[in-house]
Amino acid sequence: EAEVAQSPRYKITEKSQAVAFWCDPISGHATLYWYRQILGQGPELLVQFQDESVVDDSQLPKDRFSAERLKGVDSTLKIQPAELGDSAMYLCASSGSRGVANTGELFFGEGSRLTVL
Amino acid sequence: AQTVTQSQPEMSVQEAETVTLSCTYDTSESDYYLFWYKQPPSRQMILVIRQEAYKQQNATENRFSVNFQKAAKSFSLKISDSQLGDAAMYFCAYRGLYNFNKFYFGSGTKLNVKP
Repeated sequence: EAEVAQSPRYKITEKSQAVAFWCDPISGHATLYWYRQILGQGPELLVQFQDESVVDDSQLPKDRFSAERLKGVDSTLKIQPAELGDSAMYLCASSGSRGVANTGELFFGEGSRLTVL
Repeated sequence: AQTVTQSQPEMSVQEAETVTLSCTYDTSESDYYLFWYKQPPSRQMILVIRQEAYKQQNATENRFSVNFQKAAKSFSLKISDSQLGDAAMYFCAYRGLYNFNKFYFGSGTKLNVKP
């Protein structure tokens, strides 16, 4: 069964260090999302890609966060420098394009849990 | 912008009993998707059930069913014969057709299942 792959599953870092998360969406999914989720809360959209283009990064703290999807397939989310408040789960998700075969749902990866010390 | 509201931060149910989780949403669109997602502790978020707004029949997936009230903009999830494995955070989500790639999530309901 097709899955959204994410790595690493867990990352512990010290504040001011750089961290990076990787995501490989389901093959053929043009839309890729990065969400941040604080424990016990709903996911918050950080950035949304359509193919290789950013279509929504309004909630991305651009002074320290960056995201890219250079070839329109896999994607990397980077934080530099990490701050204590960045401790959270970072979820990647993908969705197919509008069409008959699209069931409409969002497919999530297992997430990358970041702890900043 | 569309909003999704889950007014029950936490609920508990006895094993084998039935529980209903509430969700309301606000939209001006006539056609859209609604979803319930389940997120067990430290595990992946997975789809429980989906409903397409143009379908009048309520969706059902085994022990999970929804009560979709389009006029009231209500989309509740009923879990029958609750099992210990149902313990998780449950998120209600909305996807419109106008802005097809935008999802809106509720704040979640934590479901505890008591043995």
